[in-house]
This record gives sequence, structure tokens and C-alpha cells, in this order.
Amino acid sequence: EPEVTQTPSHQVTQMGQEVILRCVPISNHLYFYWYRQILGQKVEFLVSFYNNEISEKSEIFDDQFSVERPDGSNFTLKIRSTKLEDSAMYFCASSPGLAGGTDTQYFGPGTRLTVL
Amino acid sequence: AQSVTQLGSHVSVSEGALVLLRCNYSSSVPPYLFWYVQYPNQGLQLLLKYTSAATLVKGINGFEAEFKKSETSFHLTKPSAHMSDAAEYFCAAPTYNQGGKLIFGQGTELSVKP
Repeated sequence: EPEVTQTPSHQVTQMGQEVILRCVPISNHLYFYWYRQILGQKVEFLVSFYNNEISEKSEIFDDQFSVERPDGSNFTLKIRSTKLEDSAMYFCASSPGLAGGTDTQYFGPGTRLTVL
Repeated sequence: AQSVTQLGSHVSVSEGALVLLRCNYSSSVPPYLFWYVQYPNQGLQLLLKYTSAATLVKGINGFEAEFKKSETSFHLTKPSAHMSDAAEYFCAAPTYNQGGKLIFGQGTELSVKP
């Protein structure tokens, strides 16, 4: 069964460093997402991506964040200058792009980012 | 504003007992709702979803949920808990736009005692 994959599973970085989180969505899906979950808190939406551009972003997704689909398979989240509060589990998701809100989003296993 | 609320951040049941995890949604969300499960050190896996076809929805691993519009609820149940059900459970609702984000509840951690 096709699945969303993410690398690395765990990333440790120093404050102020740049990190790139990688995701390979399910191949025929059209929408791609990043969510994050700070320890002990709810899963929060960061950004959605469709047709090679951002379709929606949250207040959290400020100028230090960017997303890219550099080729036909990968979908990346870059954090330019990490802060302590960026420490979280980051989930990538993809969906087929069905109309009407019934689309199922399929999630990857997550990347745990630790900023020291 | 659209919101999803899960009552109880931690629920503990005995093996073989009924599991009831509560989810309420604001009336401004579309009539579609999802339950996801997160096993330790894994990603989110879809348990079941409501798409307005039938109010009682059956999912994987013996779970089911009933959509009750009058109560704005979508509680998750399982008649008999198994040790392997120990996980975190999230209720979520989509926004109206195609490809829109999911709004998650706070999550409920289910513990199952032998």
C-alpha cells in the first residue's frame, strides 16, 4: 500500500541553523501539507501546497519557513533560522484532491526536530 | 470559528471494557469528520471518516463512531478494548475549501490496563 515517507526521523540542530525536512508524498496525490505537533499540544496546520504553489498557510508559517517541490517526488520544508520553539514533531501529509472536503489526508511518520 | 474539541486528554480502561472517546465540533465545520490514531513513535493513521453517507461509521480495528448533528458530536467507541488499542486518538475536521487543512482536537491518550 502506498505511504507517505519522511526523512530524517529525528533531527537535532543548534538554534539559528537552517534545517530541511523531507517528505515523499503518495505518487498520484495532488495536495501536500505540513503540520506540526509541539510536545503535549494539538496537531497544528502549517501550510498546504497545490499545483506548485502555496494554497494556504497559517500564522505560524512566517518568513523563516518555506516549502518546495524540487522534483516530481519530494516535498520539503525549510526552516531558515531555527528557534527553540520550533522543536516539535513535523508531519507531512498528502491527499488525492477530491472535491467537497471528503478527501483523506495520509500522514507520514513524522520528523522529530530538536533545537538546542 | 471552526473548532474541534476532545473531552478528556487521557482515558484509561481495562482490557475488555468499552472504549468511549469524545469529540464535539463547532457547527461551522463541514459535515465531514475524521478520527486518526497515533501509535507510539508512528505517524497518524486514519481510523474512520464520516462523509454524510451514514451516521454510524465503522472503521478499522473494531472502532466505530456515530455522527449526531443535534449534539454536534462524533464520539468514537469500541465495545471491547484490547491492549494494542493503547495510543493517542485525534478527532479532526476539514475546512470547506478543496484540499483544505484539517483542524484537530487536542487528542486523547488511551491507556488499556490488563
